[in-house]
Amino acid sequence: SQQGEEDPQALSIQEGENATMNCSYKTSINNLQWYRQNSGRGLVHLILIRSNEREKHSGRLRVTLDTSKKSSSLLITASRAADTASYFCATDGGADGLTFGKGTHLIIQP
Amino acid sequence: GAVVSQHPSWVICKSGTSVKIECRSLDFQATTMFWYRQFPKQSLMLMATSNEGSKATYEQGVEKDKFLINHASLTLSTLTVTSAHPEDSSFYICSAYDRGSTDTQYFGPGTRLTVL
Repeated sequence: SQQGEEDPQALSIQEGENATMNCSYKTSINNLQWYRQNSGRGLVHLILIRSNEREKHSGRLRVTLDTSKKSSSLLITASRAADTASYFCATDGGADGLTFGKGTHLIIQP
Repeated sequence: GAVVSQHPSWVICKSGTSVKIECRSLDFQATTMFWYRQFPKQSLMLMATSNEGSKATYEQGVEKDKFLINHASLTLSTLTVTSAHPEDSSFYICSAYDRGSTDTQYFGPGTRLTVL
């Protein structure tokens, strides 16, 4: 099955800075989704970008998708301490469940 | 937005016992629900796809006789971990597709299982 891989594995930045995480995958997709997970908690859906879209915004989040490179990026602008969490990309290839990457652990230092 | 609940939130049990985890879609009907497992510091792994009224489809390497899935209605799927052992300790998360939306899965809050 296809698998997304995020990089970096961990990222620590100062509050107010922008955080960028990348995700690569291997096979064709219908859409790609980004999720956030606070420690020990369930997933929170952040944003979905379809295969025919190149960029999408939601508040402080900006997601890009390059299907030719099979990659996506998540940008969080003006980071806050509350953004500290693990971020996962997940690919949806159709009727199957999502395939998650290994995640990026983001730490925002006050 | 759509809400998915799981019960219980956490459970601690002795080795050899069976544990049932419920996943409910509270305000929408879900013909398809998914069960995921997440070991500490690892990503989620899809365990099985649960379709209402039919047998679940298990991913490779997941024992169907150990992880029993029942999707008896459009709002409820259950995962039973039979004869649980310490290596089954994990975070189990379900998700459900809203019939009105084919792209977005809504995730439950997860159930933390600890087997002593």
